[in-house]
Amino acid sequence: AQKVTQTQTSISVMEKTTVTMDCVYETQDSSYFLFWYKQTASGEIVFLIRQDSYKKENATVGHYSLNFQKPKSSIGLIITATQIEDSAVYFCAMREVSNYNVLYFGSGTKLTVEP
Amino acid sequence: NSKVIQTPRYLVKGQGQKAKMRCIPEKGHPVVFWYQQNKNNEFKFLINFQNQEVLQQIDMTEKRFSAECPSNSPCSLEIQSSEAGDSALYLCASSLPQGANTEVFFGKGTRLTVV
Repeated sequence: AQKVTQTQTSISVMEKTTVTMDCVYETQDSSYFLFWYKQTASGEIVFLIRQDSYKKENATVGHYSLNFQKPKSSIGLIITATQIEDSAVYFCAMREVSNYNVLYFGSGTKLTVEP
Repeated sequence: NSKVIQTPRYLVKGQGQKAKMRCIPEKGHPVVFWYQQNKNNEFKFLINFQNQEVLQQIDMTEKRFSAECPSNSPCSLEIQSSEAGDSALYLCASSLPQGANTEVFFGKGTRLTVV
């Protein structure tokens, strides 16, 4: 069964605007960790931000922030003041302690930032 | 920037040939993962190690792949007899062992084409 689901296949936005990417997950663990990565056109996968399930505060790093809604098993990524170089494929991922720390990925959302 | 080094970046093999790829994890990272990413961007977990010990692997890996992470040598993933469906981007990743909240850092991948 799919553990991490990203329903948005692609999004296009204008530069300097805010974009939100959705992600829902399923787990039986009481403690788990959620990540967002981006994959550039060259294929490089870059870690962006992490949310620990036991923390109520939404994580923020630079112009990335998260909208963590635990009752809905949802972890949205918000990018503010988007730049052309934010164009990439964004992946949501989950790590469960009970499952040998394997990272499970969603299918990705392709973001295009237009000038 | 990730310091996980994967070689070669590109690999072309005929069906039935062996395909071997290597990975040097980030210094001090004893946990190593191998993932396969297909042309639809889907990630498939293959195997993970802590130091030289296999933590978990999927059936396919057990049957057709061999992988190891010897001490003081690069980790490796080898497909014993390549099939067309093995054409994909193979990603190596590493992390610290302190539990699931530690970030996983990826190498740039080995793109395997089976002709």
